[in-house]
Order: sequence, then C-alpha cells, then structure tokens
Amino acid sequence: GQQLNQSPQSMFIQEGEDVSMNCTSSSIFNTWLWYKQEPGEGPVLLIALYKAGELTSNGRLTAQFGITRKDSFLNISASIPSDVGIYFCAGQLVRNAGNNRKLIWGLGTSLAVNP
Amino acid sequence: DSGVTQTPKHLITATGQRVTLRCSPRSGDLSVYWYQQSLDQGLQFLIHYYNGEERAKGNILERFSAQQFPDLHSELNLSSLELGDSALYFCASSPHRDGLNSPLHFGNGTRLTVT
Repeated sequence: GQQLNQSPQSMFIQEGEDVSMNCTSSSIFNTWLWYKQEPGEGPVLLIALYKAGELTSNGRLTAQFGITRKDSFLNISASIPSDVGIYFCAGQLVRNAGNNRKLIWGLGTSLAVNP
Repeated sequence: DSGVTQTPKHLITATGQRVTLRCSPRSGDLSVYWYQQSLDQGLQFLIHYYNGEERAKGNILERFSAQQFPDLHSELNLSSLELGDSALYFCASSPHRDGLNSPLHFGNGTRLTVT
C-alpha cells in the first residue's frame, strides 16, 4: 500500500537533547497528524495540522505542515525518558484513488532516550 | 485512556482457524476503522465503517471481513488464518464519516499470533 517516507527510522539520544523527525511524500496532503505509540498500546494523537505552513505546539512538541503540503516535521525539545516510543506521521490525501479519504501512514521513528 | 475498547488483548490460534476481534468505539463516535500493524509494514488500513455501513476498504484480504452493529460496536473476522496474519490489529474511532478534522482515537489493539 501507499506509505509516507518517514525518517529517521530510529534515534538513540541523551536525555535533554532535542529531536527532529520528518515525513515526506510525492503527494499533496490536506491534513498531517503525528501520533506516538508506546509498547502495548495503540497510537495516541500528539498534534494535528490542517493548513500548509501551520506550526503547532503541544508542550515540548512542535510540528509543522510544510508549505509544499508534501511534508511535515516534528520536533521534541529537551527530551526526557518518557518520550520513548514510536512516532508515526499520517497524512490525509487531497485526492486518493477511491471515493473516500483515508490516512496514509509512515513506518514510524523509534525513539530511545538514555537517562 | 482513548475510550476505545478492544478484546481480546491477546489471541493465539493455529493456522486454518477463524477468529473474531471486537471493538467498542468511544461514546458518541460513529466511525470505526480497523488497522493491521506488523513490524515491516507499519499501520495498514483494512476497513472503515460509519454508522453501520461500510465506507472504505483498504488492504483487506478476502479471508477477512468486518461489520458494525446497531450499537456501533464492530467485529473483525479473520478466517483460514495463515502464519503471516500474525500482527497487532487496532481499532480506531472518530465522530464523523470521513475523519476530516476529527483525528482517530485508537484502542490498545489485539495481538494475534498464528502458530
């Protein structure tokens, strides 16, 4: 199936460091979502972006909807051990093959934080 | 707690068998989505129901089927199971038909192991 290019695939950082990850596509999206998944749980929504150029924060997390509508970035500042998990981007296409809208998902960025 | 309930949490069965996974959406949500998550494929959209009717199909095998009942809970039926069907199966819900501007809320998943 169709997927977004999410990078990096994994990160191992020291507590206190800032983190950046991104998703790119050749397709144009009208919505970008960032989710976090912890072991044994389902993905939890972190930030939703609905307009090109939009910059939205949620605590230490900041995400941006790229101007071209083909990419999005998530930054985590001053990381802490509980930031550990897999971060997924998901995009909703402006137009997709069917007559409905469905989310296209990245493969995730696995984040490990060394205390 | 997302408010989405999935049962069972774990399921171990043999090849060729049939299983049913159950999902209760958040109170008030009319849409239910089913996703399959495996290590190498990420989150794969299977099927979407809105208020009892099928809205969209994704990468769902013919051996799989789903339905949404009048009380809005949903079941995913997996038959003639194969080893490759081993995965996490997530249910997600949202209030609206297309999910636009109403991001998905995920349950904690059912881990299916086919031996």
